[in-house]
Amino acid sequence: DIVMTQSPDSLAVSLGERATINCKSSQSLLSSSSTNNYLAWYQQKPGQPPNLLIYWASTRESGVPDRFSGSGSGTDFTLTISSLQAEDVAVYYCQQYYTAPLTFGGGTKVEIK
Amino acid sequence: QVQLVESGGGVVQPGTSLRLSCAASGFTFSSYAMHWVRQAPGKGLEWVAVISYHGSDKYYADSVKGRFTISRDISKNTLYLQMNSLRPEDTAVYYCGNAGFGSGTYLPLEYWGQGTLVTVSS
Repeated sequence: DIVMTQSPDSLAVSLGERATINCKSSQSLLSSSSTNNYLAWYQQKPGQPPNLLIYWASTRESGVPDRFSGSGSGTDFTLTISSLQAEDVAVYYCQQYYTAPLTFGGGTKVEIK
Repeated sequence: QVQLVESGGGVVQPGTSLRLSCAASGFTFSSYAMHWVRQAPGKGLEWVAVISYHGSDKYYADSVKGRFTISRDISKNTLYLQMNSLRPEDTAVYYCGNAGFGSGTYLPLEYWGQGTLVTVSS
């Protein structure tokens, strides 16, 4: 199984500042037949289901603010919130969908400093 | 708009069975793979199972393999999760989700339901 490791477990960032979340997979998520990395990012606010933010490692889902961006390839990926807003307080998860079982990272809780 | 509505959760004793349902609307149900994902109280997300758009391919997490069965009824636009031999560690909110952006099985979950709570306790 592919193990997804997120870091840090939590971080506190001042409003308007940058937040960076890392995700590392135990094997490459880059398809040999394409240039796609099978990596998604989700945001989950308390009491709500997760919400898809980013897929193919860097493609922003429709309606997601452009302050959210994804980067990385192979085994190392990053979610960046360029200017943290109050409504961004949430837990963020990475997920690999390269192969079954699909697996999630442990989550990163983002709070306001 | 896309709607996914889970039902069937409740409180059950260890060793018993439960069937969850996920009613889908607002999209062509037969064209998309469907997933179940669960979340234990206060914990992270755990992927449970996926079924391909045609229903022939099914994959499971190791933790539920042999006990849970995913299925779909195209005529009813409904996804199911049959859960047998339930254990206390199966206690969680169970979400269904559709694999967006095409008919492939290995795609992210674009839409999610609100979830249904399953509690396994004696």
